[in-house]
Amino acid sequence: GENVEQHPSTLSVQEGDSAVIKCTYSDSASNYFPWYKQELGKGPQLIIDIRSNVGEKKDQRIAVTLNKTAKHFSLHITETQPEDSAVYFCAAFGSSNTGKLIFGQGTTLQVKP
Amino acid sequence: GAGVSQSPSNKVTEKGKDVELRCDPISGHTALYWYRQSLGQGLEFLIYFQGNSAPDKSGLPSDRFSAERTGGSVSTLTIQRTQQEDSAVYLCASSLSGQPQHFGDGTRLSIL
Repeated sequence: GENVEQHPSTLSVQEGDSAVIKCTYSDSASNYFPWYKQELGKGPQLIIDIRSNVGEKKDQRIAVTLNKTAKHFSLHITETQPEDSAVYFCAAFGSSNTGKLIFGQGTTLQVKP
Repeated sequence: GAGVSQSPSNKVTEKGKDVELRCDPISGHTALYWYRQSLGQGLEFLIYFQGNSAPDKSGLPSDRFSAERTGGSVSTLTIQRTQQEDSAVYLCASSLSGQPQHFGDGTRLSIL
């Protein structure tokens, strides 16, 4: 069935360093890949997304890359700040076109001041 | 407010009781989704409503779970005869067709 694998499960970086989170997906028909940030006690918040017709997208300190051939996509955060500390989830649109998202298991990012 | 609103924010109930969770989507959003998040886990799809189409119920874990969406707006997720394994955060999201999903803050359900 449809599956999204996310690595690493935890990531600790020093303030100012970069952080990279990687995901792979199983369904080659998936065409939409959002990233969500979840803070404690809150719902996931969309931070960036990418569609399958582009290979990279940037928004200030955040970028996402997509390799459709390898079925990989990654989140890159540069110049990390303590407020970037949260749980990050990748997701992929299922091929059944029902709108449901298949989520990765999440990465807990800690940015140490 | 402008975002997805869920109520209650917390619910504690005894095993065997029925519970109802409510979701108010963003005004004008035609699609509404329910997900479940167990402690320290990712989000598990439950059910999806799109306009007047029949809902996609493929993620509901058992027949104790049901959901409805009245008037194309507010949705209620009902869990009958709750079990301890139903304890989780239940998240609702809404979107315009083909557009990103926006989540509420969820209902934290605890079954004693």
